[in-house]
Amino acid sequence: AQSVTQLDSHVSVSEGTPVLLRCNYSSSYSPSLFWYVQHPNKGLQLLLKYTSAATLVKGINGFEAEFKKSETSFHLTKPSAHMSDAAEYFCVVSENSNTGKLIFGQGTTLQVKP
Amino acid sequence: GAVVSQHPSWVICKSGTSVKIECRSLDFQATTMFWYRQFPKQSLMLMATSNEGSKATYEQGVEKDKFLINHASLTLSTLTVTSAHPEDSSFYICSARAVLALSYNEQFFGPGTRLTVL
Repeated sequence: AQSVTQLDSHVSVSEGTPVLLRCNYSSSYSPSLFWYVQHPNKGLQLLLKYTSAATLVKGINGFEAEFKKSETSFHLTKPSAHMSDAAEYFCVVSENSNTGKLIFGQGTTLQVKP
Repeated sequence: GAVVSQHPSWVICKSGTSVKIECRSLDFQATTMFWYRQFPKQSLMLMATSNEGSKATYEQGVEKDKFLINHASLTLSTLTVTSAHPEDSSFYICSARAVLALSYNEQFFGPGTRLTVL
């Protein structure tokens, strides 16, 4: 069965410093992996997705993630945090193509300090 | 492209009444729609999977008679919370899986509906 673990429930960074949000997954086959962002009382916005193409995936707003099969990781990074990046971030793995279900991590709250 | 809308964005109702939430894919056809609920400061919990023209598949622990799902077309799914109670108060989010996204399971999410039951 697929699962995903976000290693930090809360991350705090200063504006202009790098962001690292960690995610490990478990999957019995080659997974599709996603990072979504959710601002307060809003729906989810897709940041980026890995679908078995390039292992380094670039997303919107300067975010990127690297798929590392040997480490079963898909960490999200950004070189320089902006105040508007403060939000909840979800790492997500797809269950399988037939059901289309997504498995959500517990989320990481990113706080950006001025 | 790939926009999903939900209506209403928020609703307040009295205990015992029923509330219907609509989820529409505006510019694409969705083979499957999903309904999630999210409690404050928690992750999304899948409630059910809805395929056009067939009965919804509910996750374990979700009462199908309480949360009625109808998927009448490739662009519309509805969730009706019947006989709502305060414990049903939550943020309900739908998503749609596009026909063209079958290969990698991308879902497009609606903005959510905040339900408050008094």
